[in-house]
Amino acid sequence: EDQVTQSPEALRLQEGESSSLNCSYTVSGLRGLFWYRQDPGKGPEFLFTLYSAGEEKEKERLKATLTKKESFLHITAPKPEDSATYLCAVPSGGYNKLIFGAGTRLAVHP
Amino acid sequence: DAMVIQNPRYQVTQFGKPVTLSCSQTLNHNVMYWYQQKSSQAPKLLFHYYDKDFNNEADTPDNFQSRRPNTSFCFLDIRSPGLGDAAMYLCATSGGAEDIQYFGAGTRLSVL
Repeated sequence: EDQVTQSPEALRLQEGESSSLNCSYTVSGLRGLFWYRQDPGKGPEFLFTLYSAGEEKEKERLKATLTKKESFLHITAPKPEDSATYLCAVPSGGYNKLIFGAGTRLAVHP
Repeated sequence: DAMVIQNPRYQVTQFGKPVTLSCSQTLNHNVMYWYQQKSSQAPKLLFHYYDKDFNNEADTPDNFQSRRPNTSFCFLDIRSPGLGDAAMYLCATSGGAEDIQYFGAGTRLSVL
């Protein structure tokens, strides 16, 4: 059964304190790994798609990387506005049904 | 500009009183999805449409139904809401080259 596990569940950082979020996955035939950001009370906002091991993508203070078993979302010098829940997901089955992890709740304090 | 629009943003209903949630899209995507997300949990797919072809997840309760009258609109009907159906309901669409799913802002459903 396809599965996605994220760690840690919650992360508290001081502004400027870099860290990484982990997404481990088990899927038969990876067809991409998606990262989303979700603010409280809102829908997930697309950040990145990664398709093959070794691939990296960057957006502002965020960098996503992919290996054969996991993905990391690196946050460099975070700011309070980076506070959100970060979700990763993999397509499973037909029509790209997404299997989500439970997310990492990130809080960045000034 | 919002590309996937959900209405209403907040919905309060009574136990057992039918409710309909609405989703519209301006992306002209052929696939539309409905997810349920409970507090601090992962979004869980309820069903999706590929054009007019309806696909129900095996564990989606019969209490949940959906309609897609045209490409732009999709509705989620909850026939007899129970307390356990209180959640955020997310609509998403996909149809581009990378099959990225774009989400609406969600409808927060409360059941009294």
